[in-house]
Amino acid sequence: GESVGLHLPTLSVQEGDNSIINCAYSNSASDYFIWYKQESGKGPQFIIDIRSNMDKRQGQRVTVLLNKTVKHLSLQIAATQPGDSAVYFCAENIGAGTYKYIFGTGTRLKVLA
Amino acid sequence: DSGVTQTPKHLITATGQRVTLRCSPRSGDLSVYWYQQSLDQGLQFLIQYYNGEERAKGNILERFSAQQFPDLHSELNLSSLELGDSALYFCASSVGGAPNQPQHFGDGTRLSIL
Repeated sequence: GESVGLHLPTLSVQEGDNSIINCAYSNSASDYFIWYKQESGKGPQFIIDIRSNMDKRQGQRVTVLLNKTVKHLSLQIAATQPGDSAVYFCAENIGAGTYKYIFGTGTRLKVLA
Repeated sequence: DSGVTQTPKHLITATGQRVTLRCSPRSGDLSVYWYQQSLDQGLQFLIQYYNGEERAKGNILERFSAQQFPDLHSELNLSSLELGDSALYFCASSVGGAPNQPQHFGDGTRLSIL
């Protein structure tokens, strides 16, 4: 159930450290963004979302930052735990009332004990 | 558990065949989305239904079709299967018809074409 099998960028972090996962989105008109976590054999799991009228949104141990100027989205995970190991990817809704989403290919997060 | 149920979990069939994938959305969700996830690509949006009606189409092949039934479950039909159709197929659901809502995914159906 991994989003991309072989050539995902990988981020390795020590348990307890903070993780930052980045995403460059494609469409300047995109107005809604979601971060998903996908564990092996599972479907994508919603983590946090943000609308384009915001720069930052915080959840439990996660923060999403949106920089519309450079079309960049980041997901920060505080105090990374072994259970955070998964593939993370962003999705953008390209706006104008469309129901279509564009998904990134993802980053594999490995938490080192 | 997202609350979205997909069956079957695995499907193995041959080229030229036809299969049907089934999805039950979360209780109360009216929208259903179908996605394809291949090894070399991210999630590709196929089609979306809202309350029984088609709302949006993505990169769905003419050999593929879908529908959403009055009880809101959805089926994705894949016909004249080719080797390249081997992939994970995910269903997601969201509460309403507005596009800016979180989608909740099932665990997918892994389709293998031999």
